[in-house]
Amino acid sequence: AQSVTQLDSHVSVSEGTPVLLRCNYSSSYSPSLFWYVQHPNKGLQLLLKYTSAATLVKGINGFEAEFKKSETSFHLTKPSAHMSDAAEYFCVVSENNQGGKLIFGQGTELSVKP
Amino acid sequence: DAGVIQSPRHEVTEMGQEVTLRCKPISGHNSLFWYRQTMMRGLELLIYFNNNVPIDDSGMPEDRFSAKMPNASFSTLKIQPSEPRDSAVYFCASSPIQGMNTEAFFGQGTRLTVV
Repeated sequence: AQSVTQLDSHVSVSEGTPVLLRCNYSSSYSPSLFWYVQHPNKGLQLLLKYTSAATLVKGINGFEAEFKKSETSFHLTKPSAHMSDAAEYFCVVSENNQGGKLIFGQGTELSVKP
Repeated sequence: DAGVIQSPRHEVTEMGQEVTLRCKPISGHNSLFWYRQTMMRGLELLIYFNNNVPIDDSGMPEDRFSAKMPNASFSTLKIQPSEPRDSAVYFCASSPIQGMNTEAFFGQGTRLTVV
């Protein structure tokens, strides 16, 4: 069975400092992994995705994530936080034999202080 | 394309009433998902369809919930009778199947309040 664990329910950073949101996954097959962002009272937007190509994936708004199979991790990073990055972030796993079924982590709320 | 379209955006109903949520997926997408989001349980997959056929409904909480996809461009999620604990934001998402390595595209959600 596939699952995803986001290690922090809440992360707080100062504007201009690095962001690290942690995610570990469990999958029986070769997974696809995604990060989505949800701003308050909004829908979910794709930040980036890993689909067995390059292990370092670049997304929108300066975010990137690295797939590490040995650690079963897919942590999301950004070198310098901006106030507009404050939102809820979801790590998502999809097993490639499940027809696109997506399993979401519990989410990490990112706060950015001025 | 206008993206995934959900209606209504907000719904307030009394306990015991029937509620129907609607979704129009992105044209050409073969998979459709219904999710529920609450503070307590986060995002839960309720049911998903491939080519209009329900594949996995194990997330549907109980018999009061039902979902249909009569054609490739429309799906409904019905709750009958509704209860206060059904209050949540319900998201519909669609995805193209090819390669199965593709993301899902989400609608704006329907905020349901059952009083």
